[in-house]
Amino acid sequence: GENVGLHLPTLSVQEGDNSIINCAYSNSASDYFIWYKQESGKGPQFIIDIRSNMDKRQGQRVTVLLNKTVKHLSLQIAATQPGDSAVYFCAESGANTGNQFYFGTGTSLTVIP
Amino acid sequence: GAVVSQHPSWVICKSGTSVKIECRSLDFQATTMFWYRQFPKQSLMLMATSNEGSKATYEQGVEKDKFLINHASLTLSTLTVTSAHPEDSSFYICSASLGLADTDTQYFGPGTRLTVL
Repeated sequence: GENVGLHLPTLSVQEGDNSIINCAYSNSASDYFIWYKQESGKGPQFIIDIRSNMDKRQGQRVTVLLNKTVKHLSLQIAATQPGDSAVYFCAESGANTGNQFYFGTGTSLTVIP
Repeated sequence: GAVVSQHPSWVICKSGTSVKIECRSLDFQATTMFWYRQFPKQSLMLMATSNEGSKATYEQGVEKDKFLINHASLTLSTLTVTSAHPEDSSFYICSASLGLADTDTQYFGPGTRLTVL
């Protein structure tokens, strides 16, 4: 599988600032990506997705950027709020993984009021 | 939206006992359900994929006789941790997908925390 079981990197940002969370994926055949948010003790929540035929996708206060050349994905959160504090995971899927998603390491975001 | 529930949310058991965790899709029929395991401050690790009415597909390194998965209906999958030991203590999360396409979003349950004494 593509799972990574490393300890979480952390990111601290001031309330109101923009946050950028990065994710590197390893499978060049992956063609669908999702960002999930996980609050402590809860299951992951869908934030935004992007397909490999796109470089950028915007949602409400969030933007996902995909760079297939270097297999890199980023999540940008505008005007970060205390409620954004959580762990963020990217997940990848592709034709050669069937319908399974494999999760990246994750990043723990802490918003400082 | 699509809602997935898990029961129980937290279970504490003695070493050697078996524990069953239920995963239900409440407002949709899930062709496929997934089981993940998550250790503290780590990522989700896919354990197995289960399709209704067929045997689960386990990821490499996951013991199928240890983690029994049953997907008897389109709204219910169960994970049974047999002869649990302290090293099985973890957060177990299920997800459900509407279809079979690799682009079908997975909807996650709230997770079940298993503590084996």
